[in-house]
Amino acid sequence: EDKVVQSPLSLVVHEGDTVTLNCSYEVTNFRSLLWYKQEKKAPTFLFMLTSSGIEKKSGRLSSILDKKELFSILNITATQTGDSAVYLCAVLTGGGNKLTFGTGTQLKVEL
Amino acid sequence: ETGVTQTPRHLVMGMTNKKSLKCEQHLGHNAMYWYKQSAKKPLELMFVYNFKEQTENNSVPSRFSPECPNSSHLFLHLHTLQPEDSALYLCASSQDQERAQYFGPGTRLLVL
Repeated sequence: EDKVVQSPLSLVVHEGDTVTLNCSYEVTNFRSLLWYKQEKKAPTFLFMLTSSGIEKKSGRLSSILDKKELFSILNITATQTGDSAVYLCAVLTGGGNKLTFGTGTQLKVEL
Repeated sequence: ETGVTQTPRHLVMGMTNKKSLKCEQHLGHNAMYWYKQSAKKPLELMFVYNFKEQTENNSVPSRFSPECPNSSHLFLHLHTLQPEDSALYLCASSQDQERAQYFGPGTRLLVL
């Protein structure tokens, strides 16, 4: 059975801090790994990673994949209160028709 | 505005009711998905449609019945649901099954 594990489960930081969120996976027929941000309702797409060692960046967020060690990290620098959300990691497998999600990391950024 | 819309946003139904959830995507995507999100549990994939054909049914009970009349619309027909079916039901779409999925706002369902 495909498994995606995220850590920590929850995290509270102060504005300006840098955080690192972790995602490890054990799946069959890996295709790609995705990160989403979920605030109120719909998860919002952040990154899709397919190759090892290539960092993807978007503003203060960045992510990298290690296909040998089967994990990915999501970094957020200079955190702001608007970064408070649940960050979801998901792995796309098989013929691309199965996306397995982790339980998410609840991030709270305080003033 | 995500390009994927869902109606209704909230739904309360009894166990004997029949209702339908609707999803529409305005992104020109070819694949559409239904997910269930329950409290404290990961998002669970329910159904996958690719070019209107169902390609995945993730052991979902028959009281949930999907319908995909065209690439832009996806329905989830509900009948004789149980209280444990109360959850957030999310629709998503992607260009094809190997691209990122974009989610709608979800329907919060409560079964009494």
